[in-house]
Amino acid sequence: NAGVTQTPKFQVLKTGQSMTLQCAQDMNHEYMSWYRQDPGMGLRLIHYSVGAGITDQGEVPNGYNVSRSTTEDFPLRLLSAAPSQTSVYFCASSYSNGGEAFFGQGTRLTVV
Amino acid sequence: GENVEQHPSTLSVQEGDSAVIKCTYSDSASNYFPWYKQELGKGPQLIIDIRSNVGEKKDQRIAVTLNKTAKHFSLHITETQPEDSAVYFCAATGQNFVFGPGTRLSVLP
Repeated sequence: NAGVTQTPKFQVLKTGQSMTLQCAQDMNHEYMSWYRQDPGMGLRLIHYSVGAGITDQGEVPNGYNVSRSTTEDFPLRLLSAAPSQTSVYFCASSYSNGGEAFFGQGTRLTVV
Repeated sequence: GENVEQHPSTLSVQEGDSAVIKCTYSDSASNYFPWYKQELGKGPQLIIDIRSNVGEKKDQRIAVTLNKTAKHFSLHITETQPEDSAVYFCAATGQNFVFGPGTRLSVLP
């Protein structure tokens, strides 16, 4: 089992560029989510999905889009990168929102 | 929405001593309280969790206690070892996971 796989691990973007962070899980989990981690602020929820075709906003959704066309994949799109989006991004999946969440290894994004 | 506070933000202990990290939450509807350990350059990993119908849970050197009336829960690590050094996050879950800001634990040999 690969668990939760995120790509890329590192990325540098210029302000205004767009990109997609990929996330895939092989545990047949219905619940998937994206977090950003900034120093001293813990993990903040960006978007989440409770199943294929269903997504919703979390605490800090502005500047990000998501879609969930399959159970396995949950990509995060940055529409027009800004320096404030410099962060470490984690994707997570769980059987439900009341069970153990499995995290990917993270993507370190720098916007210059 | 839910708000989770966590203290202390940093904690240094001598190897073999105990470490305690405390969290409070605001939403009485939260019913699942996991603790995650994050090592440098890695994603968080679950180390122990507790549900709202249980007051205490133990797994070897790690224990979690929950006081629903006071809305706080704590992580207890006994006989600390250098490999326990990491950042620890608590979370409270109702509709979604809400994480505390983290505690950086250093175990000094």
